[in-house]
Amino acid sequence: AQTVTQSQPEMSVQEAETVTLSCTYDTSESDYYLFWYKQPPSRQMILVIRQEAYKQQNATENRFSVNFQKAAKSFSLKISDSQLGDAAMYFCAYRGGSQGNLIFGKGTKLSVKP
Amino acid sequence: DGGITQSPKYLFRKEGQNVTLSCEQNLNHDAMYWYRQDPGQGLRLIYYSQIVNDFQKGDIAEGYSVSREKKESFPLTVTSAQKNPTAFYLCASSIGWTGRGELFFGEGSRLTVL
Repeated sequence: AQTVTQSQPEMSVQEAETVTLSCTYDTSESDYYLFWYKQPPSRQMILVIRQEAYKQQNATENRFSVNFQKAAKSFSLKISDSQLGDAAMYFCAYRGGSQGNLIFGKGTKLSVKP
Repeated sequence: DGGITQSPKYLFRKEGQNVTLSCEQNLNHDAMYWYRQDPGQGLRLIYYSQIVNDFQKGDIAEGYSVSREKKESFPLTVTSAQKNPTAFYLCASSIGWTGRGELFFGEGSRLTVL
């Protein structure tokens, strides 16, 4: 069975600084997708970034980028120029190529200090 | 605007009562999902539906039931058999069961058992 592990329950970053959230996963599949979701205090899950396993290039979305290490099964999220609005729970998620549901890690609570 | 609507946002239930959480989407998505979120647990899959008139148990289906009679609707019933129903419930949908598409989420429903 696939598993997703987020080893940092809480992280803190100074406004305008950079922070990296860690995620590792375990799978025997070769075709899969990885996601980072943000859950602000409003509780609605918002997609931050997506990575296809077959792509070697790391995904980037504005201030958000990932470091995808397929052999190590690692998928970290880097947030640059952190803003107060980035404060939220961040969930790493895995989706197998032949399945629809996401498997989530337990989340990392990110605080941003002004 | 297209999206997923969950209702009610807050629900209180006495022990022994069944309650139904509504989930409606106007995204024309085939697949729909119900997740349960508890503090420190991440999101866990309750039920999913790949297509209308079909649904499957997820990882924690005991004490829950669903129906999928219409493409846009996927209600979740929390029965009296669910031993610890107090939680935050999230409904989601995706274009199809497989592929790179992400899951879109509703705003969630908070159920409290008195």
